Amino acid sequence: DIVMTQTPLSLSVTPGQPASISCKSSQSLLHSDGKTYLYWYLQKPGQSPQLLIYAVSSRFSGVPDRFSGSGSGTDFTLKISRVEAEDVGVYYCMQGIHLPFTFGPGTKVDIK
Amino acid sequence: EVQLVESGGGLVKPGGSLRLSCAASGFTLSNAWMSWVRQAPGKGLEWVGRIRSKTDGGTTDYAAPVKGRFTISRDDSKNTLYLQLNSLKTEDTALYYCTTATVFAYAFDIWGQGTMVTVSS
Repeated sequence: DIVMTQTPLSLSVTPGQPASISCKSSQSLLHSDGKTYLYWYLQKPGQSPQLLIYAVSSRFSGVPDRFSGSGSGTDFTLKISRVEAEDVGVYYCMQGIHLPFTFGPGTKVDIK
Repeated sequence: EVQLVESGGGLVKPGGSLRLSCAASGFTLSNAWMSWVRQAPGKGLEWVGRIRSKTDGGTTDYAAPVKGRFTISRDDSKNTLYLQLNSLKTEDTALYYCTTATVFAYAFDIWGQGTMVTVSS
């Protein structure tokens, strides 16, 4: 199975400040079709997960442009340019190139 | 409105069985590859398994911890997905979500609210 690791596991951010979460996979997520099957989800307190980013850097519909994804191969990053109070929750990266699909352990983001 | 609504969770004894349902509305389930993802209390997300659309064979894949015990099926005429849970173990206690991807492969953009399964004696 592909192991997904995330750092840090928790993050406390002052509103308006940037935040960055790293995700590393144990195998390359670049498929022979040229696509990279790496996604980012946010699970707000008491809610179901919601898709933020797919294919490393494509923002899902309705996701604010303060969220951005980058990376390649096995190393990926989610950045929030200016954290807002509504961004609190647990962020998960996930790989979709090999079964079983696997998630990172999650990064809990809260507001200082 | 596109929606997934899970039901069927509850308290069951170890070794018992349960069938979860996931009713889709606002989109045609028959075209979708559907997955189940679970979340143990206070823990992270774990992919459970998936079922392909009938046109793509309708076959299933499962995570190792549930293979041979859980079965995913679909009734497209009812726009409903199912998860049959057999030989339940205490470690199967979790909130079970159904989900699907509509924009990009396996980018799960539609999620239900989840249904809780508690396995305890």
